[in-house]
Order: sequence, then C-alpha cells, then structure tokens
Amino acid sequence: KQEVTQIPAALSVPEGENLVLNCSFTDSAIYNLQWFRQDPGKGLTSLLLIQSSQREQTSGRLNASLDKSSGRSTLYIAASQPGDSATYLCAVEIDYKLSFGAGTTVTVRA
Amino acid sequence: EAGVAQSPRYKIIEKRQSVAFWCNPISGHATLYWYQQILGQGPKLLIQFQNNGVVDDSQLPKDRFSAERLKGVDSTLKIQPAKLEDSAVYLCASSYRDPGAFFGQGTRLTVV
Repeated sequence: KQEVTQIPAALSVPEGENLVLNCSFTDSAIYNLQWFRQDPGKGLTSLLLIQSSQREQTSGRLNASLDKSSGRSTLYIAASQPGDSATYLCAVEIDYKLSFGAGTTVTVRA
Repeated sequence: EAGVAQSPRYKIIEKRQSVAFWCNPISGHATLYWYQQILGQGPKLLIQFQNNGVVDDSQLPKDRFSAERLKGVDSTLKIQPAKLEDSAVYLCASSYRDPGAFFGQGTRLTVV
C-alpha cells in the first residue's frame, strides 16, 4: 500500500522567505506526482504535476522536483507572500488512483 | 472550460439521517472519483468510476455509503444512516487521458 508523508505538518515564515515543503512516498512505481493547494473550506487547486519521466516542473515562483528512486519530492516557493498561506498537499498516482499526504499548513507572516 | 461542480456546498444533519451529494465532472472526463477528507488529514479515495462502471470501491463503507454514476456523467454519493465520524469534506474529482485530476469545491458535511 502506498504511504505518502509530508513533513513538516505546519510551517510559519516571515514574508519574503523561501519555502521548502517535503513529500516522501514508499512505492516508487508511480505514474506521476501532483502538488495541490487547499484554502480553508475550499477544494483542491492543482499547482504542478510531474510525470514519472520528468525530474522537475516550474510555474512562476513555484518549482517542484521529483526523485523517484529515493521516493521524494520537494516543492519550493520563492519569495513567499501572505497570499501563499494555505495547506499544500502532495499526491502520487498509481493505476489512475491518487494517494495523498496529510499536507503542510503554511502561514506567511506579513 | 467549466470545472467540476458539486452541490450542496454545506450540509448539517443529525446522526442516523440520510444525505446525498451530487457531482458533475468536466465534460468528456471518463474517470470520476469521490474522496473523503477528514479534518487534518489528506483526502482518502472512496470510489472510482470509469464511465458508469466501478473501478475501485474497496474503501467505501458499503453498509452505509452508496454511489452511482448514471450514463457515465453525473454522480451521486449517499450516506444512510449517517454517523458522527462521517463529518468530513467530500470531494469529487474527474480526469481524462491527460495526467492529473481536477477537483470540485467539495461538500462539507457536519453530523450532529
């Protein structure tokens, strides 16, 4: 059974600092890995998707890396802003099914 | 392109009552998922449909939960009777051939 772990569970940083969020998974035979953002009381918004053949994806201030062999992915958010405050979830896909971590709740202090 | 639509957004019921949630996936998306997200946890897959057939319902508590997807489009998830531990956000998602899934806004259920 695929286990997905996200550390830390919560993170508080001052505005402008870079964020580093970690995700690890136990089964490396994944099809892809997806990072989501979830605001309180809302659904999931997809941020980045990395296919198994890729090593990283970038979108604006966001960069996600994937190391399948070690079962790890890292989401970097550069120059954090208060609007980045949210819960960030990673999910791995195997057989068209997503397995999620519990998320990292980020607070960016103005 | 319209996203995944879910209704209602919020529902409060008493334990032992029944409740139903509705989901309309993105047009043309053959795969539809229902996830349960308990506060402080990541979403957990309840059931996966491919068109109108069930692909995986191994984590669906079948004694009280049921789901159907008529004509391979809209889907409903029902809970009868509800328990306190069913309080959660119920998320619907859909996907097609491209990798990745698209999620709706979710339905927040509170059982009192």
